[in-house]
Amino acid sequence: EADIYQTPRYLVIGTGKKITLECSQTMGHDKMYWYQQDPGMELHLIHYSYGVNSTEKGDLSSESTVSRIRTEHFPLTLESARPSHTSQYLCASRLAGGPIDTQYFGPGTRLTVL
Amino acid sequence: AQTVTQSQPEMSVQEAETVTLSCTYDTSESDYYLFWYKQPPSRQMILVIRQEAYKQQNATENRFSVNFQKAAKSFSLKISDSQLGDAAMYFCAYVTQGGSEKLVFGKGTKLTVNP
Repeated sequence: EADIYQTPRYLVIGTGKKITLECSQTMGHDKMYWYQQDPGMELHLIHYSYGVNSTEKGDLSSESTVSRIRTEHFPLTLESARPSHTSQYLCASRLAGGPIDTQYFGPGTRLTVL
Repeated sequence: AQTVTQSQPEMSVQEAETVTLSCTYDTSESDYYLFWYKQPPSRQMILVIRQEAYKQQNATENRFSVNFQKAAKSFSLKISDSQLGDAAMYFCAYVTQGGSEKLVFGKGTKLTVNP
């Protein structure tokens, strides 16, 4: 399996709490991505980064924010969690080559907001 | 906007048999790439196979092969000699050359392998 890690794997939290989902990779990949996936549904891109200090919003609007201070680290933050944020969040990375390059996915964080 | 359609929410196959998962896509681009990703229950999503649109030859990876019909915008996945470990959600995905190079995923097909 790929060297991309996400913590926590599962998180149950109350409404209004601030949370940070961690994602790190040891492959030296420049490009990193966050996807949101509801159960049994497709993945939707919510954030991506082409390298340090680069972040962009994806196709699906999200109230979360991201940062990319180090190549290997791409955390996602929700300032005030709501039940509508309940979902699975997948982090991915790939080399900064062409789009044919494989995206490697982390194991995901399953978030439940009560 | 590009879209990817997987018309089979669920499929099942007997162990050792062959199954084909369907995928169609909509694009006006001529240069793009197609992928099949596998997501086993509670495990990481992994790449199964990929295809460059400019290549007419269908990609193969061991028991996995694709039937790429560019004119029909169709990209089906064939799994031969199905194994219990093939049980998973399978996602078809598309990305264009240039631009933001973002993957667009279909809704997935849940494959069950019966012993």
